[in-house]
Amino acid sequence: DAKTTQPTSMDCAEGRAANLPCNHSTISGNEYVYWYRQIHSQGPQYIIHGLKNNETNEMASLIITEDRKSSTLILPHATLRDTAVYYCIVRVEGGSEKLVFGKGTKLTVNP
Amino acid sequence: DAGITQSPRHKVTETGTPVTLRCHQTENHRYMYWYRQDPGHGLRLIHYSYGVKDTDKGEVSDGYSVSRSKTEDFLLTLESATSSQTSVYFCAIMDRGSYYGYTFGSGTRLTVV
Repeated sequence: DAKTTQPTSMDCAEGRAANLPCNHSTISGNEYVYWYRQIHSQGPQYIIHGLKNNETNEMASLIITEDRKSSTLILPHATLRDTAVYYCIVRVEGGSEKLVFGKGTKLTVNP
Repeated sequence: DAGITQSPRHKVTETGTPVTLRCHQTENHRYMYWYRQDPGHGLRLIHYSYGVKDTDKGEVSDGYSVSRSKTEDFLLTLESATSSQTSVYFCAIMDRGSYYGYTFGSGTRLTVV
């Protein structure tokens, strides 16, 4: 079973920030939080990951709470092309374990 | 993705026939995975491989077999296709030393009629 829980769906206005929450209350000390997204009919695509510090890259920012039991993926200026299913996953960095996907959050960016 | 290709992209087959899907990588990664995706179920792991001739079952392996005779190819076989195996199949590769985890192929849409 997935180790994370996410809202089933969210909406966001184009140009606004999209904040996608994820709960991972049973996360272990050596597990990272990974985010992937899947645009319609395509394979999932890596977005960002982090351990305990906030992370930012060209796609998004990741905010992890101090107790590491939850995190938020932030798309700072959502576009229509960001409409996708977003998956939050915990895994050990460099680990060989099977990646277990939950059902993710369907984000719809509206014009 | 440039490093991983799946074939065929689309296939329609009849119930009871054998079907083989191919995943090919150019990255020389050790780990390869087959997932299926169905509405309401998300991505579910079928089988995975951690090296040539080394494979293991995932959560929905019944009715599927796999083979990996060389690093670059991971084959998924439906011995006798059933309508419940109509799905989109994704292959993934993983570089254990990579921070980004998995890279997925573009998927194979299989319809069993």
